[in-house]
Amino acid sequence: EDQVTQSPEALRLQEGESSSLNCSYTVSGLRGLFWYRQDPGKGPEFLFTLYSAGEEKEKERLKATLTKKESFLHITAPKPEDSATYLCAVQARSGNTPLVFGKGTRLSVIA
Amino acid sequence: DVKVTQSSRYLVKRTGEKVFLECVQDMDHENMFWYRQDPGLGLRLIYFSYDVKMKEKGDIPEGYSVSREKKERFSLILESASTNQTSMYLCASSKLLQPQHFGDGTRLSIL
Repeated sequence: EDQVTQSPEALRLQEGESSSLNCSYTVSGLRGLFWYRQDPGKGPEFLFTLYSAGEEKEKERLKATLTKKESFLHITAPKPEDSATYLCAVQARSGNTPLVFGKGTRLSVIA
Repeated sequence: DVKVTQSSRYLVKRTGEKVFLECVQDMDHENMFWYRQDPGLGLRLIYFSYDVKMKEKGDIPEGYSVSREKKERFSLILESASTNQTSMYLCASSKLLQPQHFGDGTRLSIL
């Protein structure tokens, strides 16, 4: 069974304090790994797709990386507006299958 | 930009009522999905659809049904609402093998 585990559940950072969020996965052949950001009371917003080990994607202060077993979302010099829940999801290679989501990491950045 | 619109942001219904949640996307996406999101449980897939008049059960279909008569519209139906169906409901859509895009959700309360 495909599975995604995110850690930590919650993370509190001072503004400017860089850190990483972890997404460990098991999947029967990875088609893609997806990162989303979700603000309170809103739907998840798509950030990145990673397709193969070694791939990296960047957007502003965020950088996502991928290995064969896990992905990291690195946050460099975060600001309070980066506070959100970050969700990771995987899609198996077998056909047009739905995403399997982790439970998310709730990030708080304090000024 | 992709636009996924859910008909209501907030909805209050009574136990035993038949409840309809509507979702419309404007990007000609083949795939559409319904999730519910509860604290500590993450996103859970209720039903999805790969084409008009097609539907597939997700992880928690009990107590729900869906309808997809047109490509752009995917409806979630609670046949006889119960208090344990109080939740945030999220609709998403995607093209084949592409990231899902979400609406802003409907917060449903069953009294």
